[in-house]
Amino acid sequence: GAVVSQHPSRVICKSGTSVKIECRSLDFQATTMFWYRQFPKQSLMLMATSNEGSKATYEQGVEKDKFLINHASLTLSTLTVTSAHPEDSSFYICSARRDRDNSYEQYFGPGTRLTVT
Amino acid sequence: GENVEQHPSTLSVQEGDSAVIKCTYSDSASNYFPWYKQELGKRPQLIIDIRSNVGEKKDQRIAVTLNKTAKHFSLHITETQPEDSAVYFCAARSPGGSQGNLIFGKGTKLSVKP
Repeated sequence: GAVVSQHPSRVICKSGTSVKIECRSLDFQATTMFWYRQFPKQSLMLMATSNEGSKATYEQGVEKDKFLINHASLTLSTLTVTSAHPEDSSFYICSARRDRDNSYEQYFGPGTRLTVT
Repeated sequence: GENVEQHPSTLSVQEGDSAVIKCTYSDSASNYFPWYKQELGKRPQLIIDIRSNVGEKKDQRIAVTLNKTAKHFSLHITETQPEDSAVYFCAARSPGGSQGNLIFGKGTKLSVKP
C-alpha cells in the first residue's frame, strides 16, 4: 500500500507555455499533499502544501501565480507551471500523507523531469 | 522555522563495514524524524522513521537513534552492501510548519565499495 503516482514522468516544453503535473495517491486518501523541487545533487525543497478543498500554502519565495496548485479530490493534486522559463527546468516531486489518525508518513511520487527550452 | 543539518555530505565505506549519518535539528517541538533513501533518478523511499517518544528503533541492518536533549538523530547501517549505495536524506517534522511538513537535510551520498 501507499503508492503515489506522478504524470508525466518527463516533459519538454517551450518557453512561455504552461505544463501541468499530476500527483495521485493510488491506494489511500490524502487530504494533504506536498510539492517539492529538486535540483541535481541537491536536497528536496518544499514549494507548497496542497490541501483538498482549500487553497495551497506556499513557501517563502515561491510564486503562487506561477506555480498553480489544485487539490480537487482526496487522491489528486495538480501543479501547473505557468509561462515556463528555462530556469524552471528541474525535477518536481510530490508526496502524499495518508489520511489516518496520527499518521506522519509521507510517500513520494516518482517525480517529473521538466525541461524548458 | 525548523532547520536540519546533515553530515557528512559524502561517505565511502568498504562492503561489510558500518555507516553512520548524523543530523541535527533546531525546533525542540519536532516530533517525527524519517530517513529516506534516494537512488539516482528515482523517488525518495522511506526506510525508517522514529518519533520523539522513542530513543532508538531498529529494522534488520538499519537503526535510528534520537537524542532529544541534544536535538540530533542518526542513521546506522551495519554490514553495508553495494546496493546500499544511494543518497540518504534525514528529515524532521515540525508541528509549527505548514501542516506539519517535513524539512529535509541536504543529503549524504553513500558509496559502498565491493
